[in-house]
Amino acid sequence: AAGVIQSPRHLIKEKRETATLKCYPIPRHDTVYWYQQGPGQDPQFLISFYEKMQSDKGSIPDRFSAQQFSDYHSELNMSSLELGDSALYFCASSPGTDNSPLHFGNGTRLTVT
Amino acid sequence: GNSVTQMEGPVTLSEEAFLTINCTYTATGYPSLFWYVQYPGEGLQLLLKATKADDKGSNKGFEATYRKETTSFHLEKGSVQVSDSAVYFCALRRYQAGTALIFGKGTTLSVSS
Repeated sequence: AAGVIQSPRHLIKEKRETATLKCYPIPRHDTVYWYQQGPGQDPQFLISFYEKMQSDKGSIPDRFSAQQFSDYHSELNMSSLELGDSALYFCASSPGTDNSPLHFGNGTRLTVT
Repeated sequence: GNSVTQMEGPVTLSEEAFLTINCTYTATGYPSLFWYVQYPGEGLQLLLKATKADDKGSNKGFEATYRKETTSFHLEKGSVQVSDSAVYFCALRRYQAGTALIFGKGTTLSVSS
């Protein structure tokens, strides 16, 4: 079965640089979610989109922005990167109209040096 | 607000021992409840779910029952294996399109042979 695809798998950036993470949801899933997971931490919700509109917002820094495109893929844009942004970033998708579980991708590991 | 509280780990067991990981929640309304598992270096995988009171979710020998009266969703397995070693996250989600999954802090399980 098709899964959530994230790219890249690994990304190394320097402080103050920008990064763009991409997420391709499971076919027919119209909702995507972004999470950040620090080492040994639980995943922290950043933001979600349902039918290309922002549907929920968590602890996303102002330096980050995200959007969902017409084909339902999503991109997380991160600017002015800080050392503390180093983490695993997960994207998840689900159908938006019922209480289905979220299906997670394998994540993008971002390292800021 | 909505939140999930899990027993702190790590939990260390011998193979074939009985496992219980406690999870309680606070939520408005009637959320759906989930257990996710994360193996080292991997993403989050759905283990089981329950969408209403008294529902029992089960998968791969793991079980959890949605207890509304005690606001709990404890994870159990009768006989753990070394391959069950992972981090287990309890989570809840309100019924509304695009709303986030809220995770507990996670419980690390280590099973030795």
